[in-house]
Amino acid sequence: ETGVTQTPRHLVMGMTNKKSLKCEQHLGHNAMYWYKQSAKKPLELMFVYNFKEQTENNSVPSRFSPECPNSSHLFLHLHTLQPEDSALYLCASRTTSGAWGDTQYFGPGTRLTVL
Amino acid sequence: DQQVKQNSPSLSVQEGRISILNCDYTNSMFDYFLWYKKYPAEGPTFLISISSIKDKNEDGRFTVFLNKSAKHLSLHIVPSQPGDSAVYFCAASQYGNKLVFGAGTILRVKS
Repeated sequence: ETGVTQTPRHLVMGMTNKKSLKCEQHLGHNAMYWYKQSAKKPLELMFVYNFKEQTENNSVPSRFSPECPNSSHLFLHLHTLQPEDSALYLCASRTTSGAWGDTQYFGPGTRLTVL
Repeated sequence: DQQVKQNSPSLSVQEGRISILNCDYTNSMFDYFLWYKKYPAEGPTFLISISSIKDKNEDGRFTVFLNKSAKHLSLHIVPSQPGDSAVYFCAASQYGNKLVFGAGTILRVKS
């Protein structure tokens, strides 16, 4: 595997379910991100992790719970979601070494539908 | 308050002609700008970037122009090809950590 991978690619869940999204980066990066993309809206940053430590939580509801066990893996645990949480969830990574302005590389996303 | 704006939701161009996608920003502290391309059901793919110390960056058919005084950047694709049809997002960052994205422009290249 190369680049940034995400599983599952599609997920349908009920409002009472608990599920997790997984992201893995094979680029040797040390910063990882979760974004949400709703229809016809800009990508919204949710969480930022640098060297496994959460450095940003963009006022995300607690029904979304991120976990970063190491610099290569990032999870998003989901519980008691609402239908309006249906969206494309994107993971990205970048290296923090070197000069500022390093590019973020995205995974293919998980298309989430909450019924 | 949208700090990065792409005011054209869509653009249609004939194959072989130039495509120009525009982006405006409001935060003068942004120091790095990127363009991403996105196909349906895929994540955004990095296309080209430019730092605030430059006003132009070129990579093959793609050129990004930055006008700091106008807080405006543009992406030129020439010649446009049908495979360029996608959604194009511009993004901006300050010190590289957070990217702020525009809403995207749908480019359709007609053959």
